[in-house]
Amino acid sequence: AQSVAQPEDQVNVAEGNPLTVKCTYSVSGNPYLFWYVQYPNRGLQFLLKYITGDNLVKGSYGFEAEFNKSQTSFHLKKPSALVSDSALYFCAVRDMGSNYQLIWGAGTKLIIKP
Amino acid sequence: NAGVTQTPKFQVLKTGQSMTLQCAQDMNHNSMYWYRQDPGMGLRLIYYSASEGTTDKGEVPNGYNVSRLNKREFSLRLESAAPSQTSVYFCASSEALRPFGYTFGSGTRLTVV
Repeated sequence: AQSVAQPEDQVNVAEGNPLTVKCTYSVSGNPYLFWYVQYPNRGLQFLLKYITGDNLVKGSYGFEAEFNKSQTSFHLKKPSALVSDSALYFCAVRDMGSNYQLIWGAGTKLIIKP
Repeated sequence: NAGVTQTPKFQVLKTGQSMTLQCAQDMNHNSMYWYRQDPGMGLRLIYYSASEGTTDKGEVPNGYNVSRLNKREFSLRLESAAPSQTSVYFCASSEALRPFGYTFGSGTRLTVV
């Protein structure tokens, strides 16, 4: 069965330190992978996507993600965290049985402490 | 500002009551979606509309109906609300039916008591 896992409910990072939010997936074929961010009382906002090409994808707000096919992972990273990065982060993968539906992870709450 | 607007932002219903969640987008997008978001779970697709005049069921359509009123508006109706429908509901739109490029509204927090 297709699935997306975000193994950490919450990640705590000190401001200025690098951050990683983990995502692993299970789909057959070549995955389309996405990261979205949800700030409090706001809708989800697109951060970045991987469809094909370079395994390191750069996105909005200084975030990047590394696609690792052998480990079926798509971890979100940022070299230096900001307090304003505190939010809920969702990983998603295209449903291979559909050309439009996404399978979403449960989300990871990122807390950046000053 | 261009985007997706949802109303209301908050709503409390009694079991058995009905209500309609409204969604409007001003980006000239063809496709629109309704999702629900529950704690500890990812978003789940309720219904979607590939283009004006068409609607289709998503992953969790039971207990809901939708109307694509025109290109801009896509409403979600709960005919007889149940506590299991307590959730945060998000509307989204995209240029075409595809798995990326979504713009989301800010959500409706619905509680059914």
